[in-house]
Amino acid sequence: EILLTQSPDTLSLSPGERATLSCGASQNVASMYVAWFQQKPGQAPRLLMYGVSTRANGIPERFSGSGSGTDFTLTISRLEPEDFAVYYCQHYGSAPFTFGGGTKVEIK
Amino acid sequence: QVHLQESGPGLVKPSETLSLTCTVSGGSMNNFYWSWIRQPPGKGLEWIGYIYYSGRTNYNPSLKSRVTISIDTSKYQFSLKLDSVTAADTAVYYCARSTAPDSWGQGTLVTVSS
Repeated sequence: EILLTQSPDTLSLSPGERATLSCGASQNVASMYVAWFQQKPGQAPRLLMYGVSTRANGIPERFSGSGSGTDFTLTISRLEPEDFAVYYCQHYGSAPFTFGGGTKVEIK
Repeated sequence: QVHLQESGPGLVKPSETLSLTCTVSGGSMNNFYWSWIRQPPGKGLEWIGYIYYSGRTNYNPSLKSRVTISIDTSKYQFSLKLDSVTAADTAVYYCARSTAPDSWGQGTLVTVSS
């Protein structure tokens, strides 16, 4: 089972700032099968990125994903008010699929 | 645009079986994986398992002995059964499409309590 560790637990930033979220895997993730989700209170998660760096439908260009092997990053170039939320990474290359523990992006 | 909706009891007694159904509308079930994911209150996401439209399943090893996921494409539904539940199974249960889910149900809170 691949374990995913996200850092930091909480990121305190102001609107307009750049956010960099990390996701580390306990072993190589096959074929770049890493996804990122955004979740707001009381809502289901929303797919942001899949295949490490492909934006899902309707996701703004300020969101980007990168990485390979065991280290992956989600970057939000300039935070908008609606971006303050919890973000999860997931690997889905080989079962069992797992999620990271989440990073909360909060307003500073 | 595909829509998913979970349904089932919100309260289950310890040692009993949790049963949920997800109804899919607005799209075909064919050629897709269909997943169940849960989230304990205030905690992170846990993948429960998936079923391919053909019926092939894969489960989280930590739950495998207690989980059954089934599908009825003629009814546009797939289902989750979790046996011998305890308080630790209290969570919001989500159904979703695909292995990196691009469409999710709104989620349903299932509480395990006597």
